[in-house]
Formats: sequence, structure tokens, C-alpha cells
Amino acid sequence: DQQVKQNSPSLSVQEGRISILNCDYTNSMFDYFLWYKKYPAEGPTFLISISSIKDKNEDGRFTVFLNKSAKHLSLHIVPSQPGDSAVYFCAASNTGSARQLTFGSGTQLTVLP
Amino acid sequence: NAGVMQNPRHLVRRRGQEARLRCSPMKGHSHVYWYRQLPEEGLKFMVYLQKENIIDESGMPKERFSAEFPKEGPSILRIQQVVRGDSAAYFCASSPGPLNTEAFFGQGTRLTVV
Repeated sequence: DQQVKQNSPSLSVQEGRISILNCDYTNSMFDYFLWYKKYPAEGPTFLISISSIKDKNEDGRFTVFLNKSAKHLSLHIVPSQPGDSAVYFCAASNTGSARQLTFGSGTQLTVLP
Repeated sequence: NAGVMQNPRHLVRRRGQEARLRCSPMKGHSHVYWYRQLPEEGLKFMVYLQKENIIDESGMPKERFSAEFPKEGPSILRIQQVVRGDSAAYFCASSPGPLNTEAFFGQGTRLTVV
């Protein structure tokens, strides 16, 4: 039972354009969402997060949007750079109980020069 | 301030041997989490520990796997009598408090069972 789903295993974008990575979740108890970036042979690196009381959070080139009614969040990267090429994981947690993160399966982003 | 340190980075074990994976959290972090990533999958939660206490082990297989985080020293994930299906990347994360904030991950230990 996948509670966090990233339905696109890969995405290719031209340098300078916008990258949009999507994530859906099924557990309505999730109240905190995070995006991580992962390079090969390295651990995930935190990018940006959003609490369920917000619908948007922005940090430089990265913006996360949350649509609670649709149980959907997205990560926008603009402008995309070749160094952004990595696997992006969406993660969610229910801060009221267990402190674990539930991860999606990841999306491989390739930014073409 | 060193990040989360995991060692070894790569570990090869024969079926039936024991695997010990170590994780030193970031300075000042007393909360440690272990995750496992199987090929082509996302990270799956295994266990959450604070110093000397296991808080949540709901993701840990019931047999052969154990974890500890002693008062002194690193957190240890121990896998006894390894099988081929244990081959995966094991990631440790730490945070200063309960995981309502961002957890910092180590580089992982890639376990290969031959």
C-alpha cells in the first residue's frame, strides 16, 4: 500500500525552463511534507518542506505547492539548471504520532543543457 | 560541523553472516532514524531511536534485525544471518528533535549479500 506516490519515474527538461515534479498521497493524517534530492551514491539532501496549514512555500528557485483537497503536492524548479539533475523524493509525515517519513519512489530529473 | 557519518560505505557479506552498520549523528542530534532503499524503490522507514531508547521499530523486520543507540558511541543496525534479499542501501538520518523538522541523511551503507 503506497501512501506516497510519484507516478513519473523520470522527467527531462531543457535548461532554463521550469521543472514540475508531482506527488500524490493517500493518508489524510499526513500534515508535513518534504522534498529531498538525491545524487547517486549519496544520501538524500533536504530541499524544501511545507506544513499542511500552508498551500505554498518558496525558497529561491524552489517552490512547493500543496493541494490538500486533492492530496497532491508539487515541486517547481525555475529556472532549471544542469546541476539539478538528480532523483527527487517526496516524503510525508504525521507529526502527531510516529516520527517516520514515508517516501515516494522518486522521480529522476534530467536537465538538458 | 560534520554531517551524519555512516560506515562502512560498502559492505559485502556472505549469506548467513552478520552485518553491522554504524551511524554517527550530527553533533547535537539525539534522534536517529534508519531507512532502507531497495533497488528501484523509495526509502522505507525501519526504526527511530533516541539515546538508549527505541521509540518506533514498526518498520523493522521481526527477525534478524536489531538496532541500538547507546549512551556513548554510534547507532548500530545489526542484521544477523543475512540473506540475498537484505542487499540494499541503508540510510541513517538524524535530527535535533522529533522529526517535525528536516532530517539530515548520511551517505548510506550499500550492503551486498553474496
